[in-house]
Amino acid sequence: SAVISQKPSRDICQRGTSLTIQCQVDSQVTMMFWYRQQPGQSLTLIATANQGSEATYESGFVIDKFPISRPNLTFSTLTVSNMSPEDSSIYLCSVLPGQSLYQETQYFGPGTRLLVL
Amino acid sequence: SQQGEEDPQALSIQEGENATMNCSYKTSINNLQWYRQNSGRGLVHLILIRSNEREKHSGRLRVTLDTSKKSSSLLITASRAADTASYFCATGTYSSASKIIFGSGTRLSIRP
Repeated sequence: SAVISQKPSRDICQRGTSLTIQCQVDSQVTMMFWYRQQPGQSLTLIATANQGSEATYESGFVIDKFPISRPNLTFSTLTVSNMSPEDSSIYLCSVLPGQSLYQETQYFGPGTRLLVL
Repeated sequence: SQQGEEDPQALSIQEGENATMNCSYKTSINNLQWYRQNSGRGLVHLILIRSNEREKHSGRLRVTLDTSKKSSSLLITASRAADTASYFCATGTYSSASKIIFGSGTRLSIRP
């Protein structure tokens, strides 16, 4: 398994500003992902954070709005840019701890609860 | 887009009763995982079942998988107040094994 921490745990932000969320893992992991969970909804994958290269974004998500960094195998950041109230969500980091991409359990961080006013 | 649909969307039962949640999905899968989320917090991994498995147990949890029907069920026996949470299934496919797609979730409430 992997122990994952996220900072901040929650924040209240003004529209038009940006927030960077950090995800730290206690061990090197193969894959890291960022999810969004809008109020009362399920989780939607934003992007796969690739170490040393640009993140791979899912349909409906773009780098200008959600820039992602992954400088090493234990750390990633997600920035929510030019925020609007529609960005109010829980943002979760997840990891695949093993070397195999198949039949692996994904572990999730505690999430960052964001409210945009 | 969501791969799985869960039913019921909400379930309220008496403490001590069994709770059953179902998950249906659309495409062939490599594995299926169940997660629990307490009140908008992070997800806790419960069980992973592979496509060649039909049933798995973990404590009071029992998961079944029927690939012919593209469905899975999560049974929680002898429910407790602490089981109150949202439960999500998530599927991993062969075409993109590292990504999982979440179902819509079931909100479970245990009445004391």
